[in-house]
Amino acid sequence: GESVGLHLPTLSVQEGDNSIINCAYSNSASDYFIWYKQESGKGPQFIIDIRSNMDKRQGQRVTVLLNKTVKHLSLQIAATQPGDSAVYFCAEISGGSYIPTFGRGTSLIVHP
Amino acid sequence: DGGITQSPKYLFRKEGQNVTLSCEQNLNHDAMYWYRQDPGQGLRLIYYSQIVNDFQKGDIAEGYSVSREKKESFPLTVTSAQKNPTAFYLCASNQGGAGDETQYFGPGTRLLVL
Repeated sequence: GESVGLHLPTLSVQEGDNSIINCAYSNSASDYFIWYKQESGKGPQFIIDIRSNMDKRQGQRVTVLLNKTVKHLSLQIAATQPGDSAVYFCAEISGGSYIPTFGRGTSLIVHP
Repeated sequence: DGGITQSPKYLFRKEGQNVTLSCEQNLNHDAMYWYRQDPGQGLRLIYYSQIVNDFQKGDIAEGYSVSREKKESFPLTVTSAQKNPTAFYLCASNQGGAGDETQYFGPGTRLLVL
């Protein structure tokens, strides 16, 4: 859920566990979604994307699920590793606009 | 290497001073963007440019200015009118058309006020 003030939602997991990070998006007209990973002090890196004509897309160790009915997006990371520790945030883009709207992000902490 | 570069990595501003952040890309992307990131918040759009010699204000343009004289360069000036400039500034680019919306980001510049 959302946090107040400066603190991001945090997910703590043990190395080797599967992680699920959630994102609620706001615009029912959004038709393209992106997950980014941002390590401390660095720029965001593209992880995976999905278009609204799909409900699931898989990459290497990552899966994105899209539920348009409830406007919900999730990122699943399999066999989470310490190097996965970062802030993950989603972005939504509506058709005809190429300007994304970004979520606040979730901090993933992986314990060895 | 193809990508987006930002410089400097850290920048210090004195009160009343204008400072300029550099962003360069060699991805041949048409569109470039500047975002501001504050702790615990999502990225907020400052300015964007979809083509050379044209740019548009984003959600928080006040106190900032940009130029787009070359396709590969989109510098951001933080003016003295920006009263709370301390933040992490991110530059991004994409091709800008349908099917090419994914934005790719630079490493960021952290601006601090002395």
